[in-house]
Amino acid sequence: DAGITQSPRHKVTETGTPVTLRCHQTENHRYMYWYRQDPGHGLRLIHYSYGVKDTDKGEVSDGYSVSRSKTEDFLLTLESATSSQTSVYFCAISPGQTERGQYFGPGTRLTVL
Amino acid sequence: QKEVEQNSGPLSVPEGAIASLNCTYSDRGSQSFFWYRQYSGKSPELIMFIYSNGDKEDGRFTAQLNKASQYVSLLIRDSQPSDSATYLCAVNTGGGNKLTFGTGTQLKVEL
Repeated sequence: DAGITQSPRHKVTETGTPVTLRCHQTENHRYMYWYRQDPGHGLRLIHYSYGVKDTDKGEVSDGYSVSRSKTEDFLLTLESATSSQTSVYFCAISPGQTERGQYFGPGTRLTVL
Repeated sequence: QKEVEQNSGPLSVPEGAIASLNCTYSDRGSQSFFWYRQYSGKSPELIMFIYSNGDKEDGRFTAQLNKASQYVSLLIRDSQPSDSATYLCAVNTGGGNKLTFGTGTQLKVEL
């Protein structure tokens, strides 16, 4: 397995509360990504990072922010969680060479009540 | 919007048969294509990568690419019950090694 961990693995929270999910890698890969996966929608990119302090928006970035202060850590924050953000969140990493693709962490199941 | 389309299935095949999974994509500029396998409750796992027209074989898996028809397929020979999973097609969509995923095809291999 690629050295990727996500924390927490499960979280239940209430509408309006802030939530931060953490992705940690030990591979020293340049690129990191946050996805959400929902039935009928597949994997959708939220934000990605191409280096420390370098981030950009993905397809479904509204309501989410990210930070990357160290190569190994990529944080996803829901400033004020809503029920529509109930989902499974995956972090992925990539060394950048196209043929290597992306490697996924174990996921975080988030429920917003 | 760049799209990747897959039939959601389920695709049911008997053990030992060939499973054929298909994917179409809309962006003619796409250069690289991936197949991921995802077991229920688990994260996606990269199983194949292809960028040249034609076939690429790896064990029981063969990826096929036809850029003129914007079509990618995955063949699984001698299907086993352990191959039962959802298979995701992904297309490289530009900078940052970003991928656009299809919604996946559920494969069921029956005894």
